[in-house]
Amino acid sequence: QVPLQGSGPGLVKPSETLSLTCTVSGGSISRHYWGWVRQAPGKGLEWIGYMFFTGRTKYSPSLESRLTISVDMSKNQFSLKLRSLTPADTAVYYCMGIPVGDVYGWFDPWGPGTLVTVSS
Amino acid sequence: EFVLTQSPGTLSLSLGERATLSCRVSQSINSIYLAWYQQKPGQAPRLLINGASNRATGIPDRFSGSGSGTDFTLTINGLEPEDSAVYYCQQYASSVSYTFGQGTMLEIK
Repeated sequence: QVPLQGSGPGLVKPSETLSLTCTVSGGSISRHYWGWVRQAPGKGLEWIGYMFFTGRTKYSPSLESRLTISVDMSKNQFSLKLRSLTPADTAVYYCMGIPVGDVYGWFDPWGPGTLVTVSS
Repeated sequence: EFVLTQSPGTLSLSLGERATLSCRVSQSINSIYLAWYQQKPGQAPRLLINGASNRATGIPDRFSGSGSGTDFTLTINGLEPEDSAVYYCQQYASSVSYTFGQGTMLEIK
């Protein structure tokens, strides 16, 4: 298991940009795709997107125009930036990894989650 | 887009019973592209099954997955109190987007 720990603000104003960071411990950052899933209060899970350390990305079409995911190998960290926030972006944001392989796409490990509230 | 529909929405069973959770996909997928997760209140989801039937590391053999095409099942034998949770299926077959089902809440009486 590769522990993940996310960090970022709990409260962001509408129209601003959300910045979250996740630190990878105890494993090579090159063995996973790294990304994010969110969960609005009382709702189900929504995949946001992922990035590989080579720069390859895959984003949710519904968020792609506002989203950037980046990986910093020197710090064993990856980050999310989501622009032009609205209250509909209020959610718990989970960082997660996708193991690299011939077949891939399941999410394991997961970070503990960061509650982000978008409100003025 | 692949739409995943889980049933039932809520399942209430007694200790020791068997739970059968269903996940129906709007288009046929190769079973290697279907995963199941367990989420307890206040916690991150935990991977149970990938490839429709492969248990993740540390998952008890009470949990099993099966299915093909559009219909997939998560079975939990010998229910224990700690199995009370919401269970989600997820597809990763799409080249455009990964999607989850809406979840099944399992209550242990």
